[in-house]
Amino acid sequence: DTGVSQDPRHKITKRGQNVTFRCDPISEHNRLYWYRQTLGQGPEFLTYFQNEAQLEKSRLLSDRFSAERPKGSFSTLEIQRTEQGDSAMYLCASSSSDRTDYYGYTFGSGTRLTVV
Amino acid sequence: AQKITQTQPGMFVQEKEAVTLDCTYDTSDQSYGLFWYKQPSSGEMIFLIYQGSYDEQNATEGRYSLNFQKARKSANLVISASQLGDSAMYFCAMRSHLTGANSKLTFGKGITLSVRP
Repeated sequence: DTGVSQDPRHKITKRGQNVTFRCDPISEHNRLYWYRQTLGQGPEFLTYFQNEAQLEKSRLLSDRFSAERPKGSFSTLEIQRTEQGDSAMYLCASSSSDRTDYYGYTFGSGTRLTVV
Repeated sequence: AQKITQTQPGMFVQEKEAVTLDCTYDTSDQSYGLFWYKQPSSGEMIFLIYQGSYDEQNATEGRYSLNFQKARKSANLVISASQLGDSAMYFCAMRSHLTGANSKLTFGKGITLSVRP
């Protein structure tokens, strides 16, 4: 297992277009998280899955954002009608629900979105 | 609600010297975990060290140690013998360990560390 993979690494899109990002977590991790990080700030929580169930969504996740994890493995994050304020790094992380695995958060390298 | 505060401006340290990066937190939970991550310019978040709220000893991982003062709600990261490769953003984060709580991490704004040769 090579860790958490995110695709694409970079995305430039025109305002108003839709974009979709993919995250492949560590295979034995049943929890998956999406975070957004703007320049000079720490990551902000967007949403969280345990297996295929989306258990929490931040109020940061507007109606234009949707995330799925259909088979409890990879996840997609879609942004519809992108706005310039959506420009950020989108980070995916995975972990195990095993309560002894406190070291288990693994982050991907992120997808950097630029909306022009 | 949980909150992490990192207020230091950009930090500079001479190579081979030690540096302390400050972190204070706020939570009403009795059981929680504190983390430090390093983020180089490549963007990946690299786990450095973890401290549980009920751990009696301060955590250490190689050149990293965590100065945990529970009563003051602080969890400062100490990097000993700084190396040029330590230049990066450093984030303090926490999560609740309450049963059924969302296991998400709450991050601070980060601190930029620059190591001078």
